[in-house]
Amino acid sequence: DIQMTQSPSSLSASVGDRVTITCQASQDISNFLNWYQQKPGKAVKLLIYDASNLETGVPSRFSGSGSGTDFTFTISSLQPEDIATYYCQQYDNLPLTFGGGTKVEIK
Amino acid sequence: EVQLVESGGGLVQPGGSLRLSCAASGFTFSSYAMSWVRQAPGKGLEWVSGISDSGDSTYYADSVKGRFTISRDNSKNTLYLQMNSLRAEDTAAYYCAKDTIVLVPATMVCWGQGTLVTVSS
Repeated sequence: DIQMTQSPSSLSASVGDRVTITCQASQDISNFLNWYQQKPGKAVKLLIYDASNLETGVPSRFSGSGSGTDFTFTISSLQPEDIATYYCQQYDNLPLTFGGGTKVEIK
Repeated sequence: EVQLVESGGGLVQPGGSLRLSCAASGFTFSSYAMSWVRQAPGKGLEWVSGISDSGDSTYYADSVKGRFTISRDNSKNTLYLQMNSLRAEDTAAYYCAKDTIVLVPATMVCWGQGTLVTVSS
């Protein structure tokens, strides 16, 4: 199975800050990587697919980059509504696997 | 609007069985692969199982292989997960998710709110 290592596991930042989360795959997964957002009591939401493509309706402050084994997810200017846990997920091979998650809080 | 509504969760004893359902609406259900993803209390997301659009191909995580069976009824727009020989470590919220493609689970574009399964004596 492909292991996804996500860091940090949590972070605290101020409104307006740039926030960066990294995800490393245990083997080359090309660009077969997605990023999801999970808020308490709400359905999980797809934000980024194919490593860098913004899902329809997702604000442009969210972005993704990377290929191979190293990926980055960025919120360019943190907003209060971005408080959530974020997960990367690979789909190069089954089983689909997720990173451990990054909980983002407001400082 | 795409909607996925899970049901069938509850409290079950170790070794018991449960069948989860996911009612889909707002899209052509028979045209997409579907998956079940679970989340143990306080933990991250774990993909459990997936099924192709027709139901001909099914896929499982090693942790549930041989105990869980995924299926779908395209005439009823419903996804199922039959869970047998349940263990305490199966305790989790179970989410169904719609994929973006047809044959193999990959990108889960729409998720339900989940149904909670608790395995305990």
